[in-house]
Amino acid sequence: EPEVTQTPSHQVTQMGQEVILRCVPISNHLYFYWYRQILGQKVEFLVSFYNNEISEKSEIFDDQFSVERPDGSNFTLKIRSTKLEDSAMYFCASSDENSGGFGELFFGEGSRLTVL
Amino acid sequence: QKEVEQDPGPLSVPEGAIVSLNCTYSNSAFQYFMWYRQYSRKGPELLMYTYSSGNKEDGRFTAQVDKSSKYISLFIRDSQPSDSATYLCAGRDTGRRALTFGSGTRLQVQP
Repeated sequence: EPEVTQTPSHQVTQMGQEVILRCVPISNHLYFYWYRQILGQKVEFLVSFYNNEISEKSEIFDDQFSVERPDGSNFTLKIRSTKLEDSAMYFCASSDENSGGFGELFFGEGSRLTVL
Repeated sequence: QKEVEQDPGPLSVPEGAIVSLNCTYSNSAFQYFMWYRQYSRKGPELLMYTYSSGNKEDGRFTAQVDKSSKYISLFIRDSQPSDSATYLCAGRDTGRRALTFGSGTRLQVQP
């Protein structure tokens, strides 16, 4: 069964360092997403990506964050200068949603980021 | 005001019980309503979705949406220990991609 894969599963970094989280979405999917979940809190939307550009982003997704699809299979989230409050589980998701329809989001298992 | 509210639990029930999980929401633009299941240290997994108001049944699971009261429910019949997980409700409006999640209800089904 196709699945979304994420690497690394856990990353520990120092405050102020850059971090790149990687995702391989399901191959025929068109929309890609990043969500995050701070320990004990809600799953929160960060950004959606379609046709090589950001289609929607939340207020959390500020200038410290960026996304990229560097090749035909990977989708990355970059945090330029990490802060303590960036510590969270980051989930990548993808969907094959067509215009006007509902497309199921398939989530990866997450990348846990710990900022010290 | 929180957009989607959900009792965090934990909710503990004996095996075979009927479980009722509920959410309220405030965003009138929501048209899609979803229930996700999340096991510890895993990503959310879609259980069911409904469009607008109404009921939807899938095996032991029934989802209900009442848009007039902004109330979302998930019923689990004949609950099993394997149903033990955190259940997340979510809403989405047709003009956006973002899902808005509730905080999740932790369910424990005791064998």
